Amino acid sequence: DIQMTQSPSSLSASVGDRVTITCRASQGISKNLAWFQQKPGKAPKSLIYAASSLQSGVPSKFSGSGSGTDFTLTVSSLQPEDFATYYCQQYNSYPLTFGGGTKVEIK
Amino acid sequence: QITLKESGPTLVKPTQTLTLTCTFSGFSLSTSGVGVGWIRQPPGKALEWLALIYWDDDKRYSPSVKTRLTITKDTSKNQVVLTMTNMDPVDTATYYCAHRLPGIAAGGVTFDYWGQGTLVTVSS
Repeated sequence: DIQMTQSPSSLSASVGDRVTITCRASQGISKNLAWFQQKPGKAPKSLIYAASSLQSGVPSKFSGSGSGTDFTLTVSSLQPEDFATYYCQQYNSYPLTFGGGTKVEIK
Repeated sequence: QITLKESGPTLVKPTQTLTLTCTFSGFSLSTSGVGVGWIRQPPGKALEWLALIYWDDDKRYSPSVKTRLTITKDTSKNQVVLTMTNMDPVDTATYYCAHRLPGIAAGGVTFDYWGQGTLVTVSS
């Protein structure tokens, strides 16, 4: 199985901050990576697929980059609605696997 | 507009079999490339993929629970059913069904639309 490791597991940030979350795969996955946002009590929401392609309707303040084993999700200017937990998911091979999550909290 | 909704018991006893139904609209599971997956999330923990069924009835399972899972589809009813045998308290989680994002290169699977989830508690 491909292990997905996210860092940090949590972070505190202020409104307006630029935030970057990292996801590392235990082996190369090309660009077969997606990012999700999840708010408490809600289902995950798709943000990005193919490492850097923005899902329809997702604001451009979200961006993704990377390939191979190292990936990042960046929120350019954090807004109150962006405080949530973020997950990466690889789809290079079965079983599909998710990272452990990064909780973004208000400082 | 694509929607999915999970249904099933909220409480099951250890060793019992869990049956969850995903009822969807806005797409057909008879259309080439379409897939529906199941993902679960224990309280306070990360997401875990469980199973996926494709339009052509191809099925994929997570090895960690493969021997306990069965996924089926009823195209006429727009439903996907997940069965998990021998339930244990560690299986307590919110269970989600989700629509496979179309157009992913090389048959990759990620999800664009998710159901609201259903919390299943395993306890005697």
